[in-house]
Amino acid sequence: GAVVSQHPSRVICKSGTSVKIECRSLDFQATTMFWYRQFPKQSLMLMATSNEGSKATYEQGVEKDKFLINHASLTLSTLTVTSAHPEDSSFYICSASRGIGTQYFGPGTRLLVL
Amino acid sequence: SQQGEEDPQALSIQEGENATMNCSYKTSINNLQWYRQNSGRGLVHLILIRSNEREKHSGRLRVTLDTSKKSSSLLITASRAADTASYFCATDRTGANSKLTFGKGITLSVRP
Repeated sequence: GAVVSQHPSRVICKSGTSVKIECRSLDFQATTMFWYRQFPKQSLMLMATSNEGSKATYEQGVEKDKFLINHASLTLSTLTVTSAHPEDSSFYICSASRGIGTQYFGPGTRLLVL
Repeated sequence: SQQGEEDPQALSIQEGENATMNCSYKTSINNLQWYRQNSGRGLVHLILIRSNEREKHSGRLRVTLDTSKKSSSLLITASRAADTASYFCATDRTGANSKLTFGKGITLSVRP
């Protein structure tokens, strides 16, 4: 149990376009989902925390208009990178939690902006 | 400074040997977790140790937590080539609403 999926696993897009990444909890209801980004050979940096039915809470330095997060249901959260630029190229990972305790991570989405 | 700092940053051992990785943190925590990440993949949860626990075992994994020293160690016994990965400690800080703060990670290479 506790499987989290992400789609797509890999995306290449042109500069200026928007990209949507989906995060789904497949076999449990996730009250909270988290979005991270990871640069090569670096650690995960939390971008935002998303609770179903409410606005996401963004970490300091993360532009909420740039990275739009929607947590429409207890099993789905989406991250949209708007007007993507090459510096947005990164590995984006989501996680889902039933509440307090373990976060279950998705397999990640590699974004390359040309 | 960064919460959750691991050492060493890179570790290379022979298959069958034990691997010990350490993590230090700075603030009070609810729990500390260890994760594994294979290259280019997502994170796999290994073990969670709560702030009132001192030691925990799971298969070949042994985790200790010393809250007085704000440190934790992850021991992998009888390592295998398949254990080659990056390992991260992550702290669930008190009052942080279950947000995790990750360390920089340790790259473990197990030579066959």
